[in-house]
Amino acid sequence: NAGVMQNPRHLVRRRGQEARLRCSPMKGHSHVYWYRQLPEEGLKFMVYLQKENIIDESGMPKERFSAEFPKEGPSILRIQQVVRGDSAAYFCASRPGTGYEQYFGPGTRLTVT
Amino acid sequence: DAKTTQPNSMESNEEEPVHLPCNHSTISGTDYIHWYRQLPSQGPEYVIHGLTSNVNNRMASLAIAEDRKSSTLILHRATLRDAAVYYCILRQSFGNEKLTFGTGTRLTIIP
Repeated sequence: NAGVMQNPRHLVRRRGQEARLRCSPMKGHSHVYWYRQLPEEGLKFMVYLQKENIIDESGMPKERFSAEFPKEGPSILRIQQVVRGDSAAYFCASRPGTGYEQYFGPGTRLTVT
Repeated sequence: DAKTTQPNSMESNEEEPVHLPCNHSTISGTDYIHWYRQLPSQGPEYVIHGLTSNVNNRMASLAIAEDRKSSTLILHRATLRDAAVYYCILRQSFGNEKLTFGTGTRLTIIP
């Protein structure tokens, strides 16, 4: 059973461009979470999604950030008009319908130049 | 969210047991105690969780104080691969799905 997959692993964007981060949860997992880790800081929750629904987006910046988890395909975290402060590691986690453990992917390291 | 307090860093010798403490004096009756760890340049990894009773799994043991205001993660025989940041997290049993990571304890293993 493959783990949580994230791509790309590294992404470089210039200021003002868009960044699209993809997360494929583990097989059978219908719950997806996104977290952000700024350099030398702890992980911060961003958003929690189930298939086609956003359940909790209390950690998402109000502007430029959006997330989706469609019926088919991976979950996408989209950052429009990136700024240098968006440079961070973005981690996706998934879990099955029952059970508490979240399984994390290897992360996408976004660098904004 | 109830808060947890952990030492910033700890060191241990390889092949010896490690006891990582966590204080959570404001824990509520329905909060689960979770432990995750993050190895360098990797995503966090689930270690163990419990509610009231002590728990064992293949990775570690979790000892929970009788009043639940503190807990200890026990690695029975540390290896170099156990060098990581260990996070103690309280998770509400209903409704709030997100994990709130603190600063954790950076564990260094001395060969």
